[in-house]
Formats: sequence, C-alpha cells, structure tokens
Amino acid sequence: GAGVSQTPSNKVTEKGKYVELRCDPISGHTALYWYRQSLGQGPEFLIYFQGTGAADDSGLPNDRFFAVRPEGSVSTLKIQRTERGDSAVYLCASSLWAGGREQYFGPGTRLTVT
Amino acid sequence: GESVGLHLPTLSVQEGDNSIINCAYSNSASDYFIWYKQESGKGPQFIIDIRSNMDKRQGQRVTVLLNKTVKHLSLQIAATQPGDSAVYFCAESGGSSNTGKLIFGQGTTLQVKP
Repeated sequence: GAGVSQTPSNKVTEKGKYVELRCDPISGHTALYWYRQSLGQGPEFLIYFQGTGAADDSGLPNDRFFAVRPEGSVSTLKIQRTERGDSAVYLCASSLWAGGREQYFGPGTRLTVT
Repeated sequence: GESVGLHLPTLSVQEGDNSIINCAYSNSASDYFIWYKQESGKGPQFIIDIRSNMDKRQGQRVTVLLNKTVKHLSLQIAATQPGDSAVYFCAESGGSSNTGKLIFGQGTTLQVKP
C-alpha cells in the first residue's frame, strides 16, 4: 500500500518568503507528526495531530511556524517570513492511533532558504 | 531534561560480522524505545522497539537490549550486509505522556565493508 507522501521533495525559497509543505499520511492513520531534521542530526519533534486538532505543538520554534489538518487527513506545515536557519529536511510521520508508537515516515521535504 | 544520545558517530564493520550500536538515554521515566534506520535521502524506517518492562527483544537479524540500571540501549545486527549501511537512530517516547512524540538521538553511521 501507499506510504506517507510529502510534496514538494525539494523547495528553494528566498529569505522572507512564505512556504507551505504538504503531507499525505497513510490512509486510516489518525495521528500525524511533523519533525525537522538538520544535517547530521536526528529528527526534532515539531507538532502532533490527533484527527483535526493539534494535540501537542510544543516543538514549533516560534510563531512563524503553523500547521493545519482541516479534514483529519492531509496536513500542511506553513512557515512565514522564512529565515536561513529554517533550512532543513521537514519530515512527516503517521501512526494508526494516538500514541501509536510505530510511526511511519515520509521521505521528507528539503527546504533551502537562500 | 530529556536527552537521547549515541556513543559513537561512525561504526565500520566487515560484511558478515555482527554490529552493535549503542545509545544512552537520560529520562528514567521513559517507557518505550525505538530504533530507526535512515538511508540517504529517505525518511527513517522503523526497525524494532522495546518497552521498559522488557530487557531484550529479537527481530529478524536484529536484537535490541535495554539496561535500565545504566540507562543504556543497544541494537545488535547479525551477519551485517551491505544493505545495512545507513544511519541508525535510537528514540524514546517516554514519561507519562501518550502523544507518541519521539525524541531522537544524533545517530550512528554504520559502514559495511565488502
């Protein structure tokens, strides 16, 4: 079956611009997670959705970052006024249920802010 | 605070040998641990997990050992193959929260020499 998909695979943007990153979770998975991975580091938690609501957004670095999941399936991570420090791979994962430990990751979106 | 870390950044082994990748964690309340494998350009792939009420769990060619006394986790790969070359991350999803939020270590690169 289809895994987690993310689009675009690569995004280059100029400092100060707005970007949206999309995640399509595995069908039927109710929990969805966003992580950010810098070069040579492990993934860092950003936000977690259970259904349509953000259950834990404690990892979002500041108010320039926002994520939505309006219909409980696809999610969009939005970054306003991008900065060079936002450059990283943004990973999305999903799991069957809230607190489901086995998270399935997508391939990520590589964001480069110039 | 919570932290999960790995002892060695790079491990080089001969094809056919056994590999052992180590991980230390600091949150004694952690109740669940996971090992992920990440190949270049891909998202992390689940390998094996273990709960804190266990000290050993075996999968296909892999074994995870948990020593809660010294807060140490290890991943053993038997008969290492070239396809095992990747970065390996341990992660914890611990404490009393049940969000499934994962805290990753920095990773160990496994290089398999033919």
